[in-house]
Amino acid sequence: DTAVSQTPKYLVTQMGNDKSIKCEQNLGHDTMYWYKQDSKKFLKIMFSYNNKELIINETVPNRFSPKSPDKAHLNLHINSLELGDSAVYFCASTYSGTTDTQYFGPGTRLTVL
Amino acid sequence: AQSVTQLGSHVSVSEGALVLLRCNYSSSVPPYLFWYVQYPNQGLQLLLKYTTGATLVKGINGFEAEFKKSETSFHLTKPSAHMSDAAEYFCAVSEGGAQKLVFGQGTRLTINP
Repeated sequence: DTAVSQTPKYLVTQMGNDKSIKCEQNLGHDTMYWYKQDSKKFLKIMFSYNNKELIINETVPNRFSPKSPDKAHLNLHINSLELGDSAVYFCASTYSGTTDTQYFGPGTRLTVL
Repeated sequence: AQSVTQLGSHVSVSEGALVLLRCNYSSSVPPYLFWYVQYPNQGLQLLLKYTTGATLVKGINGFEAEFKKSETSFHLTKPSAHMSDAAEYFCAVSEGGAQKLVFGQGTRLTINP
């Protein structure tokens, strides 16, 4: 029944490692997003994909590489993790070209040691 | 560029009292405005949104907000606070539908018994 799901929910890793976060939505939406929420709860968009095409890239370091194998999935791969990457990462989805709501996943809390 | 300012990072009210969370925005075009709520360790859930039409918008859980163009504001209110309203509240603005949300810094609402 979950509309937007993310795995894993928690991720603890060492500096320099490479990790991936997965997102899936079963709402039939064609647009998906990654947001980063820092320790002060500030939310900022990172990427947006529409029908597997990148449409928003908000000056994110190129260590972050999103991939969308199909319009229901958007994964986030992070290379050479740094302490500053510690945050909660949220996936969201919506229909493009509308004023429809963005539906958010439960978040993935990434801790880099 | 769009921006959102939420006045007060922390608001505390008594159970049964009026809840008022303030949000001011800047946008070069008619904005779409949103309020989201985040309960502890959860994702964001839409409370209400303004796109066009009636400027007083009613949302879930008894919340409402009024779009005031002259004041560039979209304040969130609830007549009577309930303990279950304790959460983080985010105001967001979007130009061109829900395609790119810009969030305020959030307001943590605490309800005192």
